[in-house]
Amino acid sequence: DIQMTQSPSSLSASVGDRVTITCRASQGFSNYLAWYKQKPGKVPKLLIYGASTLQSGVPSRFSGSGSGTYFTLTISSLQPEDVATYYCQKYDSAPFTFGPGTKVNIK
Amino acid sequence: EVQLVESGGGLVKPGGSLRLSCAASGFTFGDYSMTWVRQAPGKGLEWVSAISSGSSFIFYADSVKGRFTISRDNAKNSLYLQMNSLRAEDTAVYYCARRYYSDSRRDAFDIWGQGTMVTVSS
Repeated sequence: DIQMTQSPSSLSASVGDRVTITCRASQGFSNYLAWYKQKPGKVPKLLIYGASTLQSGVPSRFSGSGSGTYFTLTISSLQPEDVATYYCQKYDSAPFTFGPGTKVNIK
Repeated sequence: EVQLVESGGGLVKPGGSLRLSCAASGFTFGDYSMTWVRQAPGKGLEWVSAISSGSSFIFYADSVKGRFTISRDNAKNSLYLQMNSLRAEDTAVYYCARRYYSDSRRDAFDIWGQGTMVTVSS
């Protein structure tokens, strides 16, 4: 089975900073890669699918890129409401493995 | 409004059983694959099981294979997870989520329920 890793596991940045989270897969797969945002105590929310397509209603400061085994999620200008844990996930075929998550805080 | 509502969580002893339900509304339930995802307290997301729109294809994580059974009733717009031989490590919030799948399109998990807590403890 393909394993998903994320780095960093946590980060602190200032409002307005550009933030990048990396997701790596143990084997390459097609671009069925999603990113989810989970605020503390809340339900996960789909941000990006197909590695780079923004889900409807997601602010344009979020972007995704990558292919094969390396994917990134970028927040171009960090906002207070972006404090959350972000998860990547492969969804091409089962098992639909999630990465361990990256916790984003405001400095 | 598109909505998923889980129920059936609670406190159960190790070795016990529990059946979770997920009621869907606001969309054509029978058109969608459905999944269960869980999250242990303070931990990350773990995919548990998935079932295709017509129940032809069913998948499980290795951690629950042989103990959990996913099923659905499209006439009742409902998804189920029968959990047997429960262990302490099954303690988690269990979410149901929908996913569209066809020969030409595979979506991510776009709608999630609010979750139901399962606690396995003596």
